[in-house]
Amino acid sequence: DVKVTQSSRYLVKRTGEKVFLECVQDMDHENMFWYRQDPGLGLRLIYFSYDVKMKEKGDIPEGYSVSREKKERFSLILESASTNQTSMYLCASSSAGQIYEQYFGPGTRLTVT
Amino acid sequence: QKEVEQNSGPLSVPEGAIASLNCTYSDRGSQSFFWYRQYSGKSPELIMSIYSNGDKEDGRFTAQLNKASQYVSLLIRDSQPSDSATYLCAVNRMNRDDKIIFGKGTRLHILP
Repeated sequence: DVKVTQSSRYLVKRTGEKVFLECVQDMDHENMFWYRQDPGLGLRLIYFSYDVKMKEKGDIPEGYSVSREKKERFSLILESASTNQTSMYLCASSSAGQIYEQYFGPGTRLTVT
Repeated sequence: QKEVEQNSGPLSVPEGAIASLNCTYSDRGSQSFFWYRQYSGKSPELIMSIYSNGDKEDGRFTAQLNKASQYVSLLIRDSQPSDSATYLCAVNRMNRDDKIIFGKGTRLHILP
């Protein structure tokens, strides 16, 4: 069964902290994605990776960075958390041949105070 | 013009009736179209994909695509209360980076 897991369901951090969100998939997928979902704004792509150590910016990369050292793991890093980064963060993965058919993790609801 | 547009709803449909969800998109070069379902508090899950003009049926779900009108729809026959969710339309955007972009979703409520 397809499985994407995220390190935390809920996270509360303070402004200025460095925040790490982890995502692991067990489907041997090449592609991995980080989205944030906000009411009224929908799902927006932050970063994606199509291979180990490869990354590309999505629509809203400002304030974020990513790391992909192993095929199964994709990390989202908030270098200095700000209150406008309070959101639901969703990780997804897809195979090389079906890039658009994405499997999502359960999400991490991050609150920055 | 927004890249992917959906009516936010809520769309209320009696149990057993047909629910019709609509989506328009702006990129004429788009080739791949998807419907994701998202239950409240859960993450999106892919339920339908369609790549050619016409209809594609899968159980109670039918996706319809009209590229000339830049329109894609999802029909749910014999609607059940378990179909109550937000439905996200997603389209690949050939004019930029060929990633998929999601609409904001239509909230569907099936009335028992």
